Amino acid sequence: DAKTTQPNSMESNEEEPVHLPCNHSTISGTDYIHWYRQLPSQGPEYVIHGLTSNVNNRMASLAIAEDRKSSTLILHRATLRDAAVYYCILRDYWGRSNSGYALNFGKGTSLLVT
Amino acid sequence: NAGVTQTPKFRILKIGQSMTLQCTQDMNHNYMYWYRQDPGMGLKLIYYSVGAGITDKGEVPNGYNVSRSTTEDFPLRLELAAPSQTSVYFCASTMGRSPLHFGNGTRLTVT
Repeated sequence: DAKTTQPNSMESNEEEPVHLPCNHSTISGTDYIHWYRQLPSQGPEYVIHGLTSNVNNRMASLAIAEDRKSSTLILHRATLRDAAVYYCILRDYWGRSNSGYALNFGKGTSLLVT
Repeated sequence: NAGVTQTPKFRILKIGQSMTLQCTQDMNHNYMYWYRQDPGMGLKLIYYSVGAGITDKGEVPNGYNVSRSTTEDFPLRLELAAPSQTSVYFCASTMGRSPLHFGNGTRLTVT
């Protein structure tokens, strides 16, 4: 699986936008970019995913670089409830790997909101 | 829908004891997974199942066993607990290419 690189931690002020970066220089043409987040004492939850175009949903926006070697998860107005670990994960279009449809979770970015 | 339900939420075991972590989902998902998460680390895949009666090892299967007799349930068994198995265990499920749904975890301490 192609690897992703994220900062270990970031800080944000409440009510301000947050841009969480992810580098994936070895991404393949069929890899989707997925974002999950893990709130304290909870399991990870799906946030958003995309392939080439920018994507928006009620939780966040995903901005994907033109060369697809990096992406940014955007929280438009951070709240205290957005404090979590955010994971950027690549998954092949077909999804199927040696472990069914399992995802590989790295350490992610720990977001502190104050 | 309850989603993915894990029990118990917390457990303390003595070295050498056994226990079963329960996981059940009500979404009729074929694929189910067990992950463990050590402090400050990402999640590591222990075992997975692609359907009732079919299971396979993930990245860190040693010391664990699983079974999948029904679509809904995917229990994880620890036979001889060791301190290295102190961790938070997460169960997840999916239909396939759709997002994974996770339970809220079981925090296990082995002393």
